[in-house]
Formats: sequence, C-alpha cells, structure tokens
Amino acid sequence: EDKVVQSPLSLVVHEGDTVTLNCSYEVTNFRSLLWYKQEKKAPTFLFMLTSSGIEKKSGRLSSILDKKELFSILNITATQTGDSAVYLCAVEGGSNYKLTFGKGTLLTVNP
Amino acid sequence: DVKVTQSSRYLVKRTGEKVFLECVQDMDHENMFWYRQDPGLGLRLIYFSYDVKMKEKGDIPEGYSVSREKKERFSLILESASTNQTSMYLCASSFGRGPQHFGDGTRLSIL
Repeated sequence: EDKVVQSPLSLVVHEGDTVTLNCSYEVTNFRSLLWYKQEKKAPTFLFMLTSSGIEKKSGRLSSILDKKELFSILNITATQTGDSAVYLCAVEGGSNYKLTFGKGTLLTVNP
Repeated sequence: DVKVTQSSRYLVKRTGEKVFLECVQDMDHENMFWYRQDPGLGLRLIYFSYDVKMKEKGDIPEGYSVSREKKERFSLILESASTNQTSMYLCASSFGRGPQHFGDGTRLSIL
C-alpha cells in the first residue's frame, strides 16, 4: 500500500522566518511528487517533481526531491502571514493517475 | 487557468436520501477525480475516470457511485446517504500525467 508521511503535522513561526516542510513516501512505481497549498477551500497546485536533485522554485517557495532517500522538502523563505495554510504532499505511483496524499502540515505564520 | 466548478459549496441532506454532487471542468481534461477530506485522515480517493463512460474505484468507493456521460462533467452519487458520509468532497481534473487541479469543495452534512 502506498504511503506518504508529512512532518511536522503543525508549525508556528513568526513573519520573516524560514521554514522547511518534509514529505517521505513509499510507493510502487514512483512517477511524481506534488505539493499543494490549501487555505479555506481548494488545494492549489505549487510544484510537481519527477527528477531527483532538481530544485523547483517559485518566488519564496522552493522544493527538491530525493528519489534515493524517498523524500522531498518544501522551503519557504521570509514567511508572510499569507503563507498560513495546510501544505499537502502527494505522490503518484503505479500504472494509473492516482495520487496518495499525506495528512498535511498546518503552517501558521504570526505577525 | 484551469477552472473546476463544484455545484454547491454547502449541502445539507437527510439520512437515506439520494445525493448528487456535480463537478464541471473547462479545460478538456480527460481525467477526473472525486476525493473526500476528513480531519486526521487527509484526502482519500473515492472514484476516478480516465474518459467518458469510464470509471475506476479508488480507495473508499463503498456507498458511492459515479457517472461520466460527458467529458467535462463528473458526478458523484450517494445512493442512500448516511451520517458517516458527512464530509468535505473535492473534485479534481488533470490532463495526462499533469498535476490535478481542484474545485472549491462541497461541504456535505447528512442529518
């Protein structure tokens, strides 16, 4: 059975801090790992990683995948209150398009 | 931008009722998905569809069915609603092996 574990489950920081969110996985026939941000409603897509060691970057957010050690990290630098959300990690494996999600990390950024 | 629209944000139904949740996407995506999201359990896949009239069971299909008569529309059906189906329901769509894009969700309460 495919498995995705995120840590920490929750995190409280102050504006301006840098945070690292972790995602480890066990999946058959790994195809890709995805990060989403969820505020009040729909998860919004952040990154999709398929290759090991290549960093994806968007503004203050970046992510990298280690296929050998089976994990990924999501970094957020100079955090802002608008970064407060649940961050979800998901992995696609097998022969279909099914995603297995972790339980998420709740990030709270205080002013 | 991908637009995935779910017909209702909030819905209240009674035990035993037949409930329809509708999802429409405007990007000609062939893949569509239904998840439920519960505290402490994360997102779990109910059903998905690769193409019109095709469907595959996800991890928790019991008590649910789906219909995909047109490419842009994917319906989730609760044949006889029960209180343990009270949840947030999220629809998603994707193109090929691309990322899934989510609707805003329907918060369903079964009384």
